[in-house]
Amino acid sequence: GENVEQHPSTLSVQEGDSAVIKCTYSDSASNYFPWYKQELGKRPQLIIDIRSNVGEKKDQRIAVTLNKTAKHFSLHITETQPEDSAVYFCATGAKAAGNKLTFGGGTRVLVKP
Amino acid sequence: GAVVSQHPSRVICKSGTSVKIECRSLDFQATTMFWYRQFPKQSLMLMATSNEGSKATYEQGVEKDKFLINHASLTLSTLTVTSAHPEDSSFYICSARQGGGNTEAFFGQGTRLTVV
Repeated sequence: GENVEQHPSTLSVQEGDSAVIKCTYSDSASNYFPWYKQELGKRPQLIIDIRSNVGEKKDQRIAVTLNKTAKHFSLHITETQPEDSAVYFCATGAKAAGNKLTFGGGTRVLVKP
Repeated sequence: GAVVSQHPSRVICKSGTSVKIECRSLDFQATTMFWYRQFPKQSLMLMATSNEGSKATYEQGVEKDKFLINHASLTLSTLTVTSAHPEDSSFYICSARQGGGNTEAFFGQGTRLTVV
């Protein structure tokens, strides 16, 4: 089955700096790559996603890049703010796998004021 | 976005009893729902895929007789933890996707189960 590895597990950045989280996956059939943000005690919420026919997608301060050949994708957060502090999860989905999502281990991001 | 509601949000039960958790899609129909378990400071571990009108598909290592899943309608899936033990204490969370294919998964608010 699919295996998704996410690094780093914790990330501390100064407010205004950028944060980068990387994920690698094993299943070449994966074609959907969402990123979720989970604040303490709350449900995960989608912040951005990308499909395999696109190499990069941007939404304001958030961007995701995908390298299908190398089987890795990354989340980039620019001009970080304290409210960006949360746990971020990458995931992959594949139609052949019933469209279920396989999640990475998560990255705890702390933005210091 | 679409709304998924999960109840209860917290439950404490005695060892040996059963607990039912409900997951509802409030404004869309979900032929498939997913049940996850999340340990403290860890990732979301998929337990099973709940299919409306048919049996659930369980992930390897998940006991189907212990974690009973019923998807009786297009808007409701239930997870029953049978004969609960302290090691079943965890955060259980469901998700549903609107339509087929790879689209955004909407999560319920989760259920914190404590077995004493």
